[in-house]
Amino acid sequence: EPEVTQTPSHQVTQMGQEVILRCVPISNHLYFYWYRQILGQKVEFLVSFYNNEISEKSEIFDDQFSVERPDGSNFTLKIRSTKLEDSAMYFCASTAERSGNTIYFGEGSWLTVV
Amino acid sequence: EDQVTQSPEALRLQEGESSSLNCSYTVSGLRGLFWYRQDPGKGPEFLFTLYSAGEEKEKERLKATLTKKESFLHITAPKPEDSATYLCAVQARSGATNKLIFGTGTLLAVQP
Repeated sequence: EPEVTQTPSHQVTQMGQEVILRCVPISNHLYFYWYRQILGQKVEFLVSFYNNEISEKSEIFDDQFSVERPDGSNFTLKIRSTKLEDSAMYFCASTAERSGNTIYFGEGSWLTVV
Repeated sequence: EDQVTQSPEALRLQEGESSSLNCSYTVSGLRGLFWYRQDPGKGPEFLFTLYSAGEEKEKERLKATLTKKESFLHITAPKPEDSATYLCAVQARSGATNKLIFGTGTLLAVQP
């Protein structure tokens, strides 16, 4: 079964450092997402990406965050200057269609900011 | 504001003891309601999508149903391997994209 893959699985970084989280969505999918889950809290939407541009972003997704699809397979989330409150599990997701259907999630990248 | 509320927060069952999890939602036009299973430290694993009131879907011991205000995930004769957090999420028609709005989940523990 096709799957969304994410790297790294776990990263520890110093506050103020830049972090890049990487994702390889399912190959024929067109819509890509980043979500995050702070420990013990609900999964929260960050950003959606379609046709090489951001379609929608949440209030969480401020100027410190950016996304990019540098080639035909990778989808990245960059946090420019990490804060302690950025510590969370970050999930990449993808789907083939805008309407309903199945949205597949990766296993997540656990980010710890110290 | 679109919102999802799940109950109970946690549920402990004996193996074989059937039960139901609830997901109440408020959304400005429902495009889809999703159920996911999440194991500790893992990503959400897709279970079902329901689109309209009255719809039902089944997978092994799980059955999901949908009304205009809520969805139920029925677990029949659960086994210990069904232990996980079950997440409900909605997708609104009004959104620019098909983002999901999640509830906080129900932590299910099935004891042998």
